[in-house]
Amino acid sequence: DIQMTQSPSSLSASLGDRVTITCRASQDIGNYLSWFQQKPGKSPRLMIYGATNLEDGVPSRFSGSRSGSDYSLTISSLESEDTAIYYCLQYDKYPLTFGSGTKLEIK
Amino acid sequence: AVQLVESGGGLVQPGKSLKLSCSASGFTFSSYGMHWIRQAPGKGLDWVAYISSSSGTVYADAVKERFTISRDNAKNTLYLQLNSLKSEDTAIYYCARSLELWGQGVMVTVSS
Repeated sequence: DIQMTQSPSSLSASLGDRVTITCRASQDIGNYLSWFQQKPGKSPRLMIYGATNLEDGVPSRFSGSRSGSDYSLTISSLESEDTAIYYCLQYDKYPLTFGSGTKLEIK
Repeated sequence: AVQLVESGGGLVQPGKSLKLSCSASGFTFSSYGMHWIRQAPGKGLDWVAYISSSSGTVYADAVKERFTISRDNAKNTLYLQLNSLKSEDTAIYYCARSLELWGQGVMVTVSS
């Protein structure tokens, strides 16, 4: 199975900060990587697909990038509504595997 | 409205069975592959099973031989049959359309 190593596990940042969350894939997954946002008591929301593509309706302060086997989700200017847990997901090969999640809080 | 609504969850004893449903509306259900994903209390997301638009299926090892994913395109409904349930199957179960549209989830609790 493909392992997705996500870091950091938690992150506290100030409003307006630039925030980056990273996932490393244990084998090549191409660009078959998505990012999800989950707020307490809610279903996950797709934010980024294909490693770099912004899902419709997602604010433009969110972006995705890839460098080799490292995939990043960046929030360019943190807003209060961005408080959530973020998960990466590889969908190149079954079984699909998620990262362990990053809890993002406002300082 | 485009939505997915899960039902059928509840409290069940270890070793027993349960069948979850996911009712789809607002889109052509038969054209989409569908997933079940679960989330144990306070834990991360865990992919469970997938069924393609042509009803091909794939399962996570942890549920293979115990769970069965199926679909009824005439009823716009996705199913997950859960057999031989274990305490570690306790979770919120989400259905998802191609991972970009998710239902609200349904809770399954396995306990004696």
